[in-house]
Amino acid sequence: NAGVTQTPKFQVLKTGQSMTLQCAQDMNHNSMYWYRQDPGMGLRLIYYSASEGTTDKGEVPNGYNVSRLNKREFSLRLESAAPSQTSVYFCASRTGASGNTIYFGEGSWLTVV
Amino acid sequence: KQEVTQIPAALSVPEGENLVLNCSFTDSAIYNLQWFRQDPGKGLTSLLLIQSSQREQTSGRLNASLDKSSGRSTLYIAASQPGDSATYLCAVSTGANNLFFGTGTRLTVIP
Repeated sequence: NAGVTQTPKFQVLKTGQSMTLQCAQDMNHNSMYWYRQDPGMGLRLIYYSASEGTTDKGEVPNGYNVSRLNKREFSLRLESAAPSQTSVYFCASRTGASGNTIYFGEGSWLTVV
Repeated sequence: KQEVTQIPAALSVPEGENLVLNCSFTDSAIYNLQWFRQDPGKGLTSLLLIQSSQREQTSGRLNASLDKSSGRSTLYIAASQPGDSATYLCAVSTGANNLFFGTGTRLTVIP
């Protein structure tokens, strides 16, 4: 029972490099989310996808792009990484209704040097 | 903008003690509130979800209460165990597509 799976778990990038974080869920959820977690700031929403084929900006979208490839997969791309993007990234999903539980992946630790 | 605050940032208690974690939020127009547990190096695990129309939810040794009008929630942990050591986060949902998180309380239960 995989739930929400993220890859890679750890990544070190040089400033200016690009990379994509992958996320897949096997719970047939409509909504998927990307958050970043920074010390002292809690989790902040980067982008979300309310359903297959739609994506919307969250609180901190600058420097990121997303793709909802299909119902299962939601990827986050850093086109030109900056040190300020050093963070822990979490993918999450839920059925879509605001009253339902949200499920998180185990996180991706990204360091930009 | 919704602001969620958790105090204290860290708490240490001896094993067996009952304890309360606090969460406050600034805008009472919420759909629900969730409590999560996060272990070091891991993702978040949902513990309890309280709908805006509810006053409390219970799961085992955990009881969460919600007072929407005053913008407060508490997570009560009974008979704490070393395995309860983790960071506990609360989050409020103000719509279908966002949660606003507190910064968490790091709990240490001392054997």
